[in-house]
Amino acid sequence: DQQVKQNSPSLSVQEGRISILNCDYTNSMFDYFLWYKKYPAEGPTFLISISSIKDKNEDGRFTVFLNKSAKHLSLHIVPSQPGDSAVYFCAALGLQGAQKLVFGQGTRLTINP
Amino acid sequence: DGGITQSPKYLFRKEGQNVTLSCEQNLNHDAMYWYRQDPGQGLRLIYYSQIVNDFQKGDIAEGYSVSREKKESFPLTVTSAQKNPTAFYLCASNNLGDYEQYFGPGTRLTVT
Repeated sequence: DQQVKQNSPSLSVQEGRISILNCDYTNSMFDYFLWYKKYPAEGPTFLISISSIKDKNEDGRFTVFLNKSAKHLSLHIVPSQPGDSAVYFCAALGLQGAQKLVFGQGTRLTINP
Repeated sequence: DGGITQSPKYLFRKEGQNVTLSCEQNLNHDAMYWYRQDPGQGLRLIYYSQIVNDFQKGDIAEGYSVSREKKESFPLTVTSAQKNPTAFYLCASNNLGDYEQYFGPGTRLTVT
């Protein structure tokens, strides 16, 4: 049972435009959400996170939006740059009990010049 | 400087052999984790440890074993009982109470 889903395996965006990556979750006990960026043959690197008590968090070109009622979050990258081409994973965490990250399948973002 | 190291980067083994993947961190983190990544799939948790000499099974622990004898080290053994061992293995760590996990560079294991 996939508790965190990224339904778009890939996304292609022109350089300078906005990239929007989506993530849905099913477990209402998740309290905290993270986005990771991963290049091939490397470990993921943390990008940005959001607590369930917020609906938006911004860090430079990256903004994460959370819609708790829809159990949906999105990552906006603007403007998109060639170096943003990577696989992006969203992850969710319940703060009760063992704090284990649950990952989505990932979305491969390609920024075209 | 601080970080997580995994060695080797690439590992090849024959079917039926056990193999141990190394993970070392000098971040003084309490917790360490092992994940597996397969093509088109997210990261799946194999084992995790929140304190020395203690560890718990993750979602896909069958065919794997771990030890945590030192705070900085969390080796993973892929046993011959693991049905599909070929994958990219990632080690991560964090401090208890911190939500972000920091990942090593990964080891790609190929079993033929």
